[in-house]
Amino acid sequence: AQSVTQPDIHITVSEGASLELRCNYSYGATPYLFWYVQSPGQGLQLLLKYFSGDTLVQGIKGFEAEFKRSQSSFNLRKPSVHWSDAAEYFCAVAGGASGGSYIPTFGRGTSLIVHP
Amino acid sequence: NAGVTQTPKFQVLKTGQSMTLQCAQDMNHEYMSWYRQDPGMGLRLIHYSVGAGITDQGEVPNGYNVSRSTTEDFPLRLLSAAPSQTSVYFCASRFRQGGGYTFGSGTRLTVV
Repeated sequence: AQSVTQPDIHITVSEGASLELRCNYSYGATPYLFWYVQSPGQGLQLLLKYFSGDTLVQGIKGFEAEFKRSQSSFNLRKPSVHWSDAAEYFCAVAGGASGGSYIPTFGRGTSLIVHP
Repeated sequence: NAGVTQTPKFQVLKTGQSMTLQCAQDMNHEYMSWYRQDPGMGLRLIHYSVGAGITDQGEVPNGYNVSRSTTEDFPLRLLSAAPSQTSVYFCASRFRQGGGYTFGSGTRLTVV
C-alpha cells in the first residue's frame, strides 16, 4: 500500500524567507509524486508533479521539489515566500495500487502561515 | 472550459435523509474520484472510476454509492446521511495516461 507523511502540521515563516515543506512517502516501486495547494474555501491546485527523469521538478508560483529515492522524500521548496503563499499544502503519492489505476493517496497537509 | 463542476456548494441534511452530490467534467478525462476532507485528516478516497461503467471502492466507501454511466458525470449518493458524514467533498478527474488531478471547488455538507 502507498502512504504519505507530512511531519509538520503548521509552518510559520516570515515574508521573504525561504521555505521547505517536508514529505515522506512509502511505496515499493518508483512512485508518482505530487504537491497541491489549497487556499481557504477552495479546491486543490496542482503545483508540480514527478513521474520520472530529472529529480528536481519545477512548478508553478516559483515552487520546486526534489525527489530523493534514498530518503523516500519529496520536499517542496521556495526561495522567497510571499504573503499570498499562505495556504494548506498537500503531498500525494500514486503508484500501481488499486489495480494499477494510480489513484493518489494524500498526506494530512501542512498549513503555511506567513508573517509580514 | 469549465473544468470540474460540483453542485451544490453547500448542503444541510437531516440524519437519515438521502441526497446526491453532482460532479461533471468537460475535459474528457477517463479517471474520476471522490474524496472527503476532514480537519487534520487530509483527503481520503471514497470511490473512484477509471472509465464509464467501471467504479471501485476507496479507503472510506461505507455509506456512499457511485455510478458512472457517462464519461462526464460521476455522482456520489449518500444513502442515509449520518453526522459522521459531515465533511467537505471533492471530486477530481484526470486523463488515464497521466498528469495530476483537476479538482472541483467542493461541496460542504453538514448532517444534523
